[in-house]
Amino acid sequence: NAGVIQTPRHKVTGKGQEATLWCEPISGHSAVFWYRQTIVQGLEFLTYFRNQAPIDDSGMPKERFSAQMPNQSHSTLKIQSTQPQDSAVYLCASPSDNYAEQFFGPGTRLTVL
Amino acid sequence: QQQVRQSSQSLTVWEGETAILNCSYENSAFDYFPWYQQFPGEGPALLIAIRSVSDKKEDGRFTIFFNKREKNLSLHIKDSQPGDSATYFCAASDTNAYKVIFGKGTHLHVLP
Repeated sequence: NAGVIQTPRHKVTGKGQEATLWCEPISGHSAVFWYRQTIVQGLEFLTYFRNQAPIDDSGMPKERFSAQMPNQSHSTLKIQSTQPQDSAVYLCASPSDNYAEQFFGPGTRLTVL
Repeated sequence: QQQVRQSSQSLTVWEGETAILNCSYENSAFDYFPWYQQFPGEGPALLIAIRSVSDKKEDGRFTIFFNKREKNLSLHIKDSQPGDSATYFCAASDTNAYKVIFGKGTHLHVLP
């Protein structure tokens, strides 16, 4: 069991460019959560999928962020027209049956210049 | 409004001491409280957790003390080691819901 896989580990974009982050959840886990981590805000919930269906995207900035889960083996988080304030570590997690027990990936560190 | 609050951003202890990390919460509906440990360059990892029906949970050198009436809990790390230096997140959830609410973390430094 490789755990949650996130790629790339680091991404640098210029202001206004697009960034796509990938997550492969633990095989057999039916849910995927995306979080954003910064020093100031800590861990912020972005969005949640269950059985590939979007359930809650209340944490997503509406205009430039989108997420998909086209199949049970991967999810993507896309940020259009990236801004410096989008710089953060983006974490993907897939929980066990107890949703409070989340298995996190190593994160993607996004730097927007 | 911060639903889960960790009282210290940073804590420094000497090797061998007991580190005490404090946490409080606001929502009485929370009934499950995991603590996560995060090392630089890694995602958080579940360390230990307690249900609100218990007042203490122990796992090796790690113990959670829970006070439901006061809505607070603490993580005690006995015989702290330099390898325990990490950021510790207190979290809370309502098992009838799906969201986990995280505190902002306490960065623990264990000095040799």
